[in-house]
Amino acid sequence: QVQLVQSGAEVKKPGASVKVSCKASGYSFTSYYIHWLRRAPGQGLECMGIINPTGGTTTYAPKFQGRVTLTRDKSTSTVYMELNSLRSDDTALYYCAREGQHAGTGTTYYGMDVWGQGTTVTVSS
Amino acid sequence: NFMLTQPHSVSESPGKTVTISCTASGGNIASNYVQWYQLRPGSVPTTVIFEDDQRPSGVPDRFSGSIDSSSNSASLVITGLRTEDEADYYCQSFHSSDLVFGGGTKLTVL
Repeated sequence: QVQLVQSGAEVKKPGASVKVSCKASGYSFTSYYIHWLRRAPGQGLECMGIINPTGGTTTYAPKFQGRVTLTRDKSTSTVYMELNSLRSDDTALYYCAREGQHAGTGTTYYGMDVWGQGTTVTVSS
Repeated sequence: NFMLTQPHSVSESPGKTVTISCTASGGNIASNYVQWYQLRPGSVPTTVIFEDDQRPSGVPDRFSGSIDSSSNSASLVITGLRTEDEADYYCQSFHSSDLVFGGGTKLTVL
């Protein structure tokens, strides 16, 4: 079945970097864009960026521009999210999610259909 | 600025029906599709409604979605509430090249 499996929880110190992986299975990896989002404690969902696994092109949310990097490895069907210069307010659950497509046409409906299980990133000195 | 506003929390008893609203401002709710996501602690997030009113396979038909242009809002209706429906629910749409999320609604089933 279609699955996105993320790497395990991370604990980092302020100023450090974190790299979270998201391994896709059960579908053609290059056929669907992947989003990264996060939810901080007591906060709502927040978009960080999106990657096209075919060519690796990316778009980042203005808030994270310059601090986040999305990459992919087609050989392992894995997408990575790296966040630099971590601060305490980066403590959150980080999710990858596949962008949904209209059945039959393959065009996006600008929403997510399948999610990863989430990765907790804790930033603490 | 296009925004989606949800009630912070709703509560209802098992077996009852609950409606979660998602009101748009700064744009037309019908201009792009609305999705609804269920986030429960310790569980993989689930898309319960996509393209305004479509239910993914595996999502019970107790979940339904709709759009009301007159009130510029979307709604998620859950009938026959179960304790496992207790979760945070987020509406989401698209505007000016950006995904836009509502602030989320905490559903308590008590």
